[in-house]
Amino acid sequence: EVQLVQSGAEVKKPGESLKISCKGSGYSFTSYWIGWVRQMPGKGLEWMGIIYPGDSDTRYSPSFQGQVTISADKSISTAYLQWSSLKASDTAMYYCARLVIGVTTGSGWFDPWGQGTLVTVSS
Amino acid sequence: EIVLTQSPATLSLSPGERATLSCRASQSVSSYLAWYQQKPGQAPRLLIYDASNRATGIPARFSGSGSGTDFTLTISSLEPEDFAVYYCQQRSNWPPVTFGQGTRLEIK
Repeated sequence: EVQLVQSGAEVKKPGESLKISCKGSGYSFTSYWIGWVRQMPGKGLEWMGIIYPGDSDTRYSPSFQGQVTISADKSISTAYLQWSSLKASDTAMYYCARLVIGVTTGSGWFDPWGQGTLVTVSS
Repeated sequence: EIVLTQSPATLSLSPGERATLSCRASQSVSSYLAWYQQKPGQAPRLLIYDASNRATGIPARFSGSGSGTDFTLTISSLEPEDFAVYYCQQRSNWPPVTFGQGTRLEIK
């Protein structure tokens, strides 16, 4: 079974750093892009960035460039999302998801998704 | 940048009725469009990829159609478990991914 399992909920103070994780299993972790998606309370899905664990090629949404760092450790099939200095506005649910690219087309879709990591930033 | 606009924002229907959700792209995305369902407290789930292909395990009452800039997700006869939020998503060269803002399907 293809599965992504994320690290647990976090409660942090503004200015603190944080790194959350997403561990893949049941497939070749180095052969698929992993994406991170933010969902603020009561809001929609926002794409943050994607990483290809095979060579660590990373692309960021302009909205999140410079605000977060996406990385991966292919030796343990795990992708990461990290902040160096959290803000209250970073409070949200964060999902990782595997990006499947169509073999004969340029299409792409996210499947499966991790269960989500709730990050709460409050003083 | 490709923008996806979903309509309506909220759709109120009764079980057994037919639901039609729309997703419009600001420029052609060919057939590179997917649909997701998200229930409260859950992660999104893939329903449709490449505009019209059902994902594994998705019931036949869900269907997708369209190409270019106009896409539709149809639920032929609503079941109680279908009331949720639905998102469309496209893939292109840049940005690699874009989501629509979502349509909330609620019980009338």
